[in-house]
Amino acid sequence: KQEVTQIPAALSVPEGENLVLNCSFTDSAIYNLQWFRQDPGKGLTSLLLIQSSQREQTSGRLNASLDKSSGRSTLYIAASQPGDSATYLCAVFGNQFYFGTGTSLTVIP
Amino acid sequence: NAGVTQTPKFQVLKTGQSMTLQCAQDMNHNSMYWYRQDPGMGLRLIYYSASEGTTDKGEVPNGYNVSRLNKREFSLRLESAAPSQTSVYFCASISSRVSGWRGETQYFGPGTRLLVL
Repeated sequence: KQEVTQIPAALSVPEGENLVLNCSFTDSAIYNLQWFRQDPGKGLTSLLLIQSSQREQTSGRLNASLDKSSGRSTLYIAASQPGDSATYLCAVFGNQFYFGTGTSLTVIP
Repeated sequence: NAGVTQTPKFQVLKTGQSMTLQCAQDMNHNSMYWYRQDPGMGLRLIYYSASEGTTDKGEVPNGYNVSRLNKREFSLRLESAAPSQTSVYFCASISSRVSGWRGETQYFGPGTRLLVL
């Protein structure tokens, strides 16, 4: 069974700092990996999707990388802003979707 | 477009009561999913429907039943609620049938918060 782990569980940084969120998975037989954002009391919003054949994807200040062979992905957020405060989840798709437990990010003004 | 909608937003049940959580999408998507989210556990797949008329079990199906009423609607039923089913329930959809899915975004509803006493 696929296990998806996200470290750290919580992170607090001052505004303007660059930061990295980590995601690891145990089974490298995946088709793709997605990063989501979840605001308190809300559903999930997709941020980036990386196909298994790709190494990275970028959207604005976000950059996600994928190393399928080692079972790792990182989400890089540049020049963090208070509006980035949310929980970030990664999910992998193999035979079904598996989600990590998330990293709760707080950006302090 | 409303996207994925869920009703109710919040519900309190007593142990043994039954209820149905409703989900609807207006994006003409083929595949729909029900997840539960618990603290420290992440989202876990309960059931999914790859197309109208088909349903399959996910990781944690026990205690639940589903109905894919039509292409738009996918309901989740708790026949006899238990405190262990206290959770936040999310419905999601994607365009493709899941067997052919390789990289489409899942669209999520806002969630239903269920408390079973």
